[in-house]
Amino acid sequence: KAGVTQTPRYLIKTRGQQVTLSCSPISGHRSVSWYQQTPGQGLQFLFEYFSETQRNKGNFPGRFSGRQFSNSRSEMNVSTLELGDSALYLCASSFSRTGGAYNEQFFGPGTRLTVL
Amino acid sequence: GENVEQHPSTLSVQEGDSAVIKCTYSDSASNYFPWYKQELGKGPQLIIDIRSNVGEKKDQRIAVTLNKTAKHFSLHITETQPEDSAVYFCAASSSTSGTYKYIFGTGTRLKVLA
Repeated sequence: KAGVTQTPRYLIKTRGQQVTLSCSPISGHRSVSWYQQTPGQGLQFLFEYFSETQRNKGNFPGRFSGRQFSNSRSEMNVSTLELGDSALYLCASSFSRTGGAYNEQFFGPGTRLTVL
Repeated sequence: GENVEQHPSTLSVQEGDSAVIKCTYSDSASNYFPWYKQELGKGPQLIIDIRSNVGEKKDQRIAVTLNKTAKHFSLHITETQPEDSAVYFCAASSSTSGTYKYIFGTGTRLKVLA
């Protein structure tokens, strides 16, 4: 079974630009979560999408948004980029059993975003 | 708010020795505790997990223990090898009304010296 794929793997943007990152979850998985990873803050939860609906949201400004398509693929958008947005953006896929008590997450390789 | 403390932040061991990484969580509703290994340039890889109804779980050279009363859980790696060198993250997860929340530790950089 193919793992989680993220594209592109590397991006360089300048301040004020916007960027769109893509994530394809493991086949059959319905939930996609996005995380920002930086050396200083560790793994910070951005949001989770399930069946095309945002189900959970972390404490990030509205410049960070996302969506999920009917095939469970997800995109994340960051508008008006700031230097502090430089980070590794990770996508995690899970099956998300209805009424389940546990939810294993599997991560993709990440997109390394550098804002100049 | 809820948090997960992870110690130590760096750990160096000689090849063949054991390594132990400890985490403490604050959310008493947490019921699932995964451990991830992240190698340079890669995303975190799930290596072992434990559920709140279990006290210990082992998979070859790695084991995880959970003390719900103390809200502690630990990762134990025995007979360490150079390929175990990576950053390890613990996490505590809880579920509410079908949604899941993950809180991650800050990571431990493990170096296995040959």
